[in-house]
Amino acid sequence: QKEVEQNSGPLSVPEGAIASLNCTYSDRGSQSFFWYRQYSGKSPELIMFIYSNGDKEDGRFTAQLNKASQYVSLLIRDSQPSDSATYLCAVNINSGGYQKVTFGTGTKLQVIP
Amino acid sequence: NAGVMQNPRHLVRRRGQEARLRCSPMKGHSHVYWYRQLPEEGLKFMVYLQKENIIDESGMPKERFSAEFPKEGPSILRIQQVVRGDSAAYFCASSPPGALKKLFFGSGTQLSVL
Repeated sequence: QKEVEQNSGPLSVPEGAIASLNCTYSDRGSQSFFWYRQYSGKSPELIMFIYSNGDKEDGRFTAQLNKASQYVSLLIRDSQPSDSATYLCAVNINSGGYQKVTFGTGTKLQVIP
Repeated sequence: NAGVMQNPRHLVRRRGQEARLRCSPMKGHSHVYWYRQLPEEGLKFMVYLQKENIIDESGMPKERFSAEFPKEGPSILRIQQVVRGDSAAYFCASSPPGALKKLFFGSGTQLSVL
């Protein structure tokens, strides 16, 4: 089982719809969870982080965390073509006494005008 | 406050040459991570360093690859005797001390091996 798993997509949604991106992780002891956005040819950019169960909202973005199910998701409301990018889920994984940030392979999102 | 600085942005090497990739973390950040990315693929962890210490190099090939983060100066990822398969984007990220581990990425170095 991979430490952090995401569907590679592409996930296509029409402009104005809600895009839902999902991620599961294997380490029950993980405490911190991140979503990064990566445009083609660019470097990843941190857009959300969450460490408590429940929802965290920031503008059009909502991160949801369920530690019991080892599941974290990102919702993008009112999706715009400019949201088209690859979204990377990252988790702090306990590794030999320290925390290592481990990334999923990313989900490619396409917002259709 | 400057972000994470990587140079060069593009590096072309012939097979057998050495590649040196540099990364200056954000001010106040003492942790550096190197990742490698092939086109249409995810970020692959290579090495995690703190000042003067390698914390985890489990993602780095044992041969030809090395990394350092000296007390003064940038972190260096060094690839000796490059092969075509080393062609990739190499990203450096830094984070401040503490458990939260928010990573801030540099613009990356695109290595092309001819």
